Amino acid sequence: DAEITQSPRHKITETGRQVTLACHQTWNHNNMFWYRQDLGHGLRLIHYSYGVQDTNKGEVSDGYSVSRSNTEDLPLTLESAASSQTSVYFCASSENLHQPQHFGDGTRLSIL
Amino acid sequence: DQQVKQNSPSLSVQEGRISILNCDYTNSMFDYFLWYKKYPAEGPTFLISISSIKDKNEDGRFTVFLNKSAKHLSLHIVPSQPGDSAVYFCAASARGGSNYKLTFGKGTLLTVNP
Repeated sequence: DAEITQSPRHKITETGRQVTLACHQTWNHNNMFWYRQDLGHGLRLIHYSYGVQDTNKGEVSDGYSVSRSNTEDLPLTLESAASSQTSVYFCASSENLHQPQHFGDGTRLSIL
Repeated sequence: DQQVKQNSPSLSVQEGRISILNCDYTNSMFDYFLWYKKYPAEGPTFLISISSIKDKNEDGRFTVFLNKSAKHLSLHIVPSQPGDSAVYFCAASARGGSNYKLTFGKGTLLTVNP
């Protein structure tokens, strides 16, 4: 079965470190998204991509970057981790306008 | 400005009864609405959707109603089961111009008591 996987599932790091969260999907979807989930905020869009070499900023993109070198992967990088970026991060993908987004199981990131 | 609002952080119902989860939106460009269910330590799972050309969509025990004039949608679960206990997120999209982005509400924690 096609799926979307995120790694690692849990990570603890220190402020100032660079961190990369992986997202891999086997549906061959062009559209991929990164969200963060925080108490009291729901899911907020960080970055998204509509295809290879395409990346776009979401509503909370400061301090984050993404790259899309192939269809399957959209890694999320925190250039210099800050305690405010402690959160649960979800990756999602979708095929087209008429299909819902499918989510991975998330990465819980703690920045000390 | 919060464009998708779920004003009830939590809801508790008895098994077998109806659960009604509500969602309001402010952006009149939204034309596609979805509900997701989320269990702890898992990602959100798509539940049901509705396009703005409809006012109702049904899938088994789940029905979504859309009132465009009031900018309001609701999810009805009948009958509610303990396994329905989860956080429910309402989401909306403005699909014109090939916009695939979703805007989510903050979620409602549904607890179904046996």
